[in-house]
Amino acid sequence: KAGVTQTPRYLIKTRGQQVTLSCSPISGHRSVSWYQQTPGQGLQFLFEYFSETQRNKGNFPGRFSGRQFSNSRSEMNVSTLELGDSALYLCASSLSAGNNEQFFGPGTRLTVL
Amino acid sequence: DQQVKQNSPSLSVQEGRISILNCDYTNSMFDYFLWYKKYPAEGPTFLISISSIKDKNEDGRFTVFLNKSAKHLSLHIVPSQPGDSAVYFCAARDYTGTASKLTFGTGTRLQVTL
Repeated sequence: KAGVTQTPRYLIKTRGQQVTLSCSPISGHRSVSWYQQTPGQGLQFLFEYFSETQRNKGNFPGRFSGRQFSNSRSEMNVSTLELGDSALYLCASSLSAGNNEQFFGPGTRLTVL
Repeated sequence: DQQVKQNSPSLSVQEGRISILNCDYTNSMFDYFLWYKKYPAEGPTFLISISSIKDKNEDGRFTVFLNKSAKHLSLHIVPSQPGDSAVYFCAARDYTGTASKLTFGTGTRLQVTL
């Protein structure tokens, strides 16, 4: 069974640009959560999607948005990039919303110059 | 406001000895706790979990202890092996009934030496 895949793995952007990251969950998993990992901050929750609906949202500005498609694949978008958005963005999938065990992808490393 | 804290950023343990990783939390609404292990360039991997109604869960070399009154949990690895060298994250679940959110600590880097 294939794991969670994220594309692209690495991305370099400049301030003010926007970026879209993609996540394909494990087959059969319907919930996708996104996290931002920065040094010293650990993993911070961005949002959770289930059945194409955002179920929960973390404390991030509106520049961070996401969506989920009918096949459970998810994208997150960051507009008007800032230097502080440089981070590893991790996607995790689980069978359903509120499921205890989340399986993580390898992440997308975003660098904002 | 860091609701889940791992106060030791790093830990070095000799192979064969016990590794004890600690985690403290402040939110009494957390109902489930998990430990993840992360190697460089990979996403975190689920290791072991414990429900708030239990005080111990064991899986092979890994045991998690939960002290609800102290809002403290710990992960014991016995015996420690070089392959256990990784960053360990403690996470706590906040479940509203329709959605969940995991709050992670900042991680502890474990190095198991020969």
